[in-house]
This record gives sequence, structure tokens and C-alpha cells, in this order.
Amino acid sequence: AQSVTQPDIHITVSEGASLELRCNYSYGATPYLFWYVQSPGQGLQLLLKYFSGDTLVQGIKGFEAEFKRSQSSFNLRKPSVHWSDAAEYFCALPYAGKSTFGDGTTLTVKP
Amino acid sequence: DAGVTQSPTHLIKTRGQQVTLRCSPISGHKSVSWYQQVLGQGPQFIFQYYEKEERGRGNFPDRFSARQFPNYSSELNVNALLLGDSALYLCASSLDVGVGKNIQYFGAGTRLSVL
Repeated sequence: AQSVTQPDIHITVSEGASLELRCNYSYGATPYLFWYVQSPGQGLQLLLKYFSGDTLVQGIKGFEAEFKRSQSSFNLRKPSVHWSDAAEYFCALPYAGKSTFGDGTTLTVKP
Repeated sequence: DAGVTQSPTHLIKTRGQQVTLRCSPISGHKSVSWYQQVLGQGPQFIFQYYEKEERGRGNFPDRFSARQFPNYSSELNVNALLLGDSALYLCASSLDVGVGKNIQYFGAGTRLSVL
């Protein structure tokens, strides 16, 4: 069965610092992978998606993610974090029309 | 264009009661999915509907049911509420059920509290 693991429950970074959020997956074939962001009181907003091809994917709000098959990972990165990036981030594996989500990483941004 | 809309925003019920949550998909989207998000966890898949037919069901008890209407809106019903049903219920819509086209767009959710 497919699964998604986000090893870090909570990460704190200073504003302007770089960010990397980890995501590991388990799936029997090459997966499709998404990253979503959820702000308090909001639904999930799609940040970026990987279907195939180029393993470095660009998303909205300056985020990017890199698919590494050898490590079963799809880590999310941002070179310089803004205070407005504070939110909860979810990695998801879509299949058969539905998605399996990780348990999320809460990002706190220090001034 | 309006996104996915859910109603109500918040709901408080007592154990044993029944609840109905509503979802209107993005115009042109024919598939609606429901997810349960318990505090501290990621969303868990409950149901998917496409063209009024159930296309998928997650590992939830029969107390959970759903339906989709001809206008593609959807309702999620939960009977005999338990304390553990307290969660954020998310609705997502997509054009269809094919993975390549199935970018799911989420509503803001309905926060259900069971006392």
C-alpha cells in the first residue's frame, strides 16, 4: 500500500533563511506527488506537482521540490522564507483519483 | 470564479446525533471527494463521487455516507456521531477522476465538534 511520511512535525526558521521540508513516500511504481499548504482556517492550496519528467519542479510562491527516486523523497525547498510562509505543509501522493497525505509539517517563522 | 464552497463553516453536535455537510464544486468540475482531517494529522480519504456515482471509499464505518446531485454538488452525512468524529471535513473537486487531470482543489472545510 502507498504511504507518505513527513519526518518533521514542526520546523522553525528565521525570516530570510532557507527552508527544506522532507517528504518520503512508499509506492510500487513511479508516483505522482504534490505539495499543499494550509493556513489556519483555510483549505489546502496546491503549491506544486510532480507527474514525470524533470525531477526539479517549480511551484508558486517561490517554492520548488526535487524528486529523488533513489531516496524515495520529494523534499520542498525555498531559498528565503517570508513571515507569510508560516503555515502547515502537506505532501500528498495522488492515485486512482484520491490522495494519500502525510501528517504535515508546521512551519514557524521567527522575525 | 468561485472556488470550492462548503457549508456550514462550523458545527457543534452531541453524541448520537446526525449531521449533513454540504459542498459545491468549482464550476465545470464533475468529481467531488471528501476527506476527514483530525487535529495533528493529514487528511484521510472518505469518499469520491463522479457523475453521481461512488468511485471510491476509504476505511470509514457505514455511519458515513454521501451522495452527489445532478448539479455535481455533494452532501456528506454522518449518523450516530461519536466524539472521535470531531474533525475538519474537507471537500475537494476536480475535473474528473483520471490522475493526470485530477488536480484536486480544496474548500476551506467544515469544522465539526462533537460534545
